[in-house]
Amino acid sequence: GPKVLQIPSHQIIDMGQMVTLNCDPVSNHLYFYWYKQILGQQMEFLVNFYNGKVMEKSKLFKDQFSVERPDGSYFTLKIQPTALEDSAVYFCASSLDSQNTLYFGAGTRLSVL
Amino acid sequence: AQSVTQPDARVTVSEGASLQLRCKYSYSATPYLFWYVQYPRQGLQLLLKYYSGDPVVQGVNSFEAEFSKSNSSFHLQKASVHWSDSAVYFCALSIMDSNYQLIWGSGTKLIIKP
Repeated sequence: GPKVLQIPSHQIIDMGQMVTLNCDPVSNHLYFYWYKQILGQQMEFLVNFYNGKVMEKSKLFKDQFSVERPDGSYFTLKIQPTALEDSAVYFCASSLDSQNTLYFGAGTRLSVL
Repeated sequence: AQSVTQPDARVTVSEGASLQLRCKYSYSATPYLFWYVQYPRQGLQLLLKYYSGDPVVQGVNSFEAEFSKSNSSFHLQKASVHWSDSAVYFCALSIMDSNYQLIWGSGTKLIIKP
């Protein structure tokens, strides 16, 4: 079936550094999402993105977070600067429309030291 | 507030036995409900979804789930499990008044004994 790819699968960085998580969504999808899962906790919605704009974001989507999809390439989540509490697995997802099935990537484990 | 509860963090069943994974939700309006499965080192994959109509929905790999409005539940079932069903299963609720973002349960890890 359709696949969402997330690169890298694991990233380790020092607190205060910038990190960019990359997501290659399903090619004809129009809606993009980031979810965050802290170890042992529920996955939580961060943000969704459509037509070059953030449609909705949760309170977890701090000012240090930003998303973009320049020229239809990777859908990225940037955190600048990172904090210890940003350590989690970040899942990217895409869908054809806002009511359609979400297809998820395998996640990027971010470890902030 | 909307929420999804999966009360069992871990379920162990013998291969060939039947299975039920529990999911309870809290939402005042009509829910859209989903079950996703995550195999090791893979992304979440949709098993089945409920939007309306027949409360029993069929999914992939012989999974089915039954929606109960009175019990606010959406339990996942399978008549006979296979070792390849070992994975983590997530129940999720889509909120219509919030751009269809998903609210997730904490997941249930299914372990199949030989």
